[in-house]
Amino acid sequence: DIQMTQSPSSLSASVGDSVTITCRASQGINGWLAWYQQKPGKAPKSLISAASNLQSGVPSRFSGSGSGTDFTLTIGGLQPEDFATYYCQQYNVYPLTFGQGTQLEIK
Amino acid sequence: QVQLQESGPGLVKPSETLSLTCAVSGYSIRSGYWWGWIRQPPGKGLEWIGTIYNSGNTFYNPSLKTRVSISLDTSKNQFSLRLTSVTAADTAVYYCARRTFGVPFDPWGQGILVTVSS
Repeated sequence: DIQMTQSPSSLSASVGDSVTITCRASQGINGWLAWYQQKPGKAPKSLISAASNLQSGVPSRFSGSGSGTDFTLTIGGLQPEDFATYYCQQYNVYPLTFGQGTQLEIK
Repeated sequence: QVQLQESGPGLVKPSETLSLTCAVSGYSIRSGYWWGWIRQPPGKGLEWIGTIYNSGNTFYNPSLKTRVSISLDTSKNQFSLRLTSVTAADTAVYYCARRTFGVPFDPWGQGILVTVSS
């Protein structure tokens, strides 16, 4: 199985800050990397596909990058609604695997 | 737009079988796409359970493979999850979701909490 490791596990930031979350795969995943946002009591929402493609309706302050085994999610200019938990997921091979999550909290 | 809705018992006894259904509206599941189940134990992360293609081909998480099955019911436009011999470790919110090649899970159902307890 491909292990997905996110860092940090938690992060405190203020409205207006820019933050970066990192996701590392235990082997190459050909860029098939997704980022999801999950708010308490809600289903995850897809933000980014194929490492850097913004899903329809997702604000442009979200961006993704990376290749090989190392990927990043950057949120530029945090808004109050961005405080949530973020997960990466590889969908290159089965079994599909998720990172353990990064909880983004208000400072 | 496409919507998914999970349904089933919220409480299952240990050693019994968990059965959930995901009703799809706004899209015919026989037309394409792949349909999956993901679960999330309380306070923990996401775990992929399995995926079924519109062709009927299935792929399961090896950690659950001996206990899980996913099937399509095109007449009702829904797909189902069966997980046998459940234990407390199977207590989780279960989500259904849609994906296809090159596309991650989107959209997701709202999720259903299933508790395993006597």
